[in-house]
Amino acid sequence: AQKITQTQPGMFVQEKEAVTLDCTYDTSDPSYGLFWYKQPSSGEMIFLIYQGSYDQQNATEGRYSLNFQKARKSANLVISASQLGDSAMYFCAMREGFNTGNQFYFGTGTSLTVIP
Amino acid sequence: NAGVTQTPKFRVLKTGQSMTLLCAQDMNHEYMYWYRQDPGMGLRLIHYSVGEGTTAKGEVPDGYNVSRLKKQNFLLGLESAAPSQTSVYFCASSYSMQGANEAFFGQGTRLTVV
Repeated sequence: AQKITQTQPGMFVQEKEAVTLDCTYDTSDPSYGLFWYKQPSSGEMIFLIYQGSYDQQNATEGRYSLNFQKARKSANLVISASQLGDSAMYFCAMREGFNTGNQFYFGTGTSLTVIP
Repeated sequence: NAGVTQTPKFRVLKTGQSMTLLCAQDMNHEYMYWYRQDPGMGLRLIHYSVGEGTTAKGEVPDGYNVSRLKKQNFLLGLESAAPSQTSVYFCASSYSMQGANEAFFGQGTRLTVV
């Protein structure tokens, strides 16, 4: 089974609008972390936001927020007030707390295009 | 502020040739990883290391070997390159498995095997 599932290969959003990128995960480990990364066309991987499994509140970082629904095992990224520079690939990732190796599992990504 | 540095950035190999990709991090991180990125498949873990002198297989280890002789370096070797190994390779490192310790990535190495 896939550890991380991103079902939206591509998304479009109008500039200044908000957009939600979906991510579901699969783990039996009670302790885990969820991450979102941005990969612009230049190729580098940029860390955006983190949510721990025991965190009571949804994480926020500037225009990024993480809609964490633990029972549904979803960790959707919300980008508010989209900007042209937000056009990029976005990857959801999970790290399980107690498995060996502290591996990061990545989804297949969502390509976001911001339309002027 | 070097962070994670990968060498080389681009390489073209002929089938059957060998090469080593070097990853160096200056953040004193314990954990290091090698991923490959292919279109539509996200990032898949090749090998990883939880500390100096240790390595382990990830999701797609076949055709690759790794070594972590020094804490700051993690080498990825291709003994006999195949066209299926054409990919973008990313090295990453992280400090700890606790808390918001994200993985820091290198710039990537674009490898083409012809």
